[in-house]
Amino acid sequence: KQEVTQIPAALSVPEGENLVLNCSFTDSAIYNLQWFRQDPGKGLTSLLLIQSSQREQTSGRLNASLDKSSGRSTLYIAASQPGDSATYLCAVLIETSGSRLTFGEGTQLTVNP
Amino acid sequence: NAGVTQTPKFQVLKTGQSMTLQCAQDMNHEYMSWYRQDPGMGLRLIHYSVGAGITDQGEVPNGYNVSRSTTEDFPLRLLSAAPSQTSVYFCASSYIRGLGVPSYGYTFGSGTRLTVV
Repeated sequence: KQEVTQIPAALSVPEGENLVLNCSFTDSAIYNLQWFRQDPGKGLTSLLLIQSSQREQTSGRLNASLDKSSGRSTLYIAASQPGDSATYLCAVLIETSGSRLTFGEGTQLTVNP
Repeated sequence: NAGVTQTPKFQVLKTGQSMTLQCAQDMNHEYMSWYRQDPGMGLRLIHYSVGAGITDQGEVPNGYNVSRSTTEDFPLRLLSAAPSQTSVYFCASSYIRGLGVPSYGYTFGSGTRLTVV
C-alpha cells in the first residue's frame, strides 16, 4: 500500500527565509506527484504537477523536484512571505491505484513578519 | 470563472437524514471524484467517475451513493447520515489520457463542511 509522508509536520520561519518541504512515498511506480496549498477552511489549490518523466517544475518562487528512484520530492520556497502561510500537501498518483490520489498529512507553514 | 463548484458550503444534518452534495465543473473534465478530509486521516477517496454513466468506489464508499448523468455534474448522496460522516467533503476533477488515468493533475472545489448531529 502506498504511503506518503511529509516532514516536518509544522514549520515556522521568519519572513525572507528560503525553505524546503519534504515528501516521501513508498511506491516508486507513480504517474505524477502534485503539490497543493490549503488555507484554513478552504479548498486545495494546485501549485505544481510533476509527471513521472520529469525531475522538477518551477512556478515563480516555488520549485518542486522529484526523485522517483528514492521515493522523494521536495518543495522549495524562495524568499518566503507571510502570505505563504498555509498547509502544503503532496499527493501521488500511482500506477496500481487506478484513479486514487494518495495524500500526505501535510506541512503547516507559518511565515512570521 | 472556470473551475469546480461545490454547494452547499456548510450543512448541518440530523442523524438519519439524507442529502445531496452538489459538484459541477465547466472544464470538460472526464474524471470527477469525491474525497473527505478528516483530522489525522488526511484526504480519502469516496467515489469517482471516468465519464458519464461510469462510476466506481474508492477507499471509503460506505454510506454514500453517486451517479454521473452528465460530464459536468457529479453529485454525492448521503443515504442516512451518521455522526461518522461529519467531515469536509471535496470534489475534484481532471482530464484523462491514455489508459484512463487522470494524470494531468487535479482541480479541487472549495469544499462542503458537513456536521451530523
